[in-house]
Amino acid sequence: DAMVIQNPRYQVTQFGKPVTLSCSQTLNHNVMYWYQQKSSQAPKLLFHYYDKDFNNEADTPDNFQSRRPNTSFCFLDIRSPGLGDAAMYLCATSSSYGNYGYTFGSGTRLTVV
Amino acid sequence: DQQVKQNSPSLSVQEGRISILNCDYTNSMFDYFLWYKKYPAEGPTFLISISSIKDKNEDGRFTVFLNKSAKHLSLHIVPSQPGDSAVYFCAASAMRNTGNQFYFGTGTSLTVIP
Repeated sequence: DAMVIQNPRYQVTQFGKPVTLSCSQTLNHNVMYWYQQKSSQAPKLLFHYYDKDFNNEADTPDNFQSRRPNTSFCFLDIRSPGLGDAAMYLCATSSSYGNYGYTFGSGTRLTVV
Repeated sequence: DQQVKQNSPSLSVQEGRISILNCDYTNSMFDYFLWYKKYPAEGPTFLISISSIKDKNEDGRFTVFLNKSAKHLSLHIVPSQPGDSAVYFCAASAMRNTGNQFYFGTGTSLTVIP
């Protein structure tokens, strides 16, 4: 089945130690998104790629970076995780044509110790 | 500023009864709306959508109603089943030329009591 896969499901990292979360998709969608969701809050868009074009949200901290080496993969890099970065990170994809909504991955829950 | 609001963080309903989840939005440019369902430790999964040219969309036990003048939409689940217990997110979008950015509400946790 075509899907969006996030690895790992759970990630524990040390304060200040760089960490990378990965997302892959078999849907061949043009657009890939990274959302941060903290407990009891709405998912918050960090950035997205439209093909190779990177679109950063204005309030996304510089600590968060992303890479999309090809259509199928997208990475979220947190350069120096702080305790406030502990959250669920959701990857999603969408077709660039029409409003068909997103397909989400299962998310990676990040814990910072 | 939260453009999509779900003011009820939780809702409990008896099995077989109707569940009504509400969502309000502030941006009049939004023209497409979605409901997502999320189980613990999983990503959201698409449930049902509605375009602003409609005021109702039905899919089995799930119906979404859109009131554009009130900037309000609601999800009706009837009859409710214990497997419907999950967090439901409302999301809204205005067309953008770089893809469809959706804005999410904070979710409503539905518990269906057997």
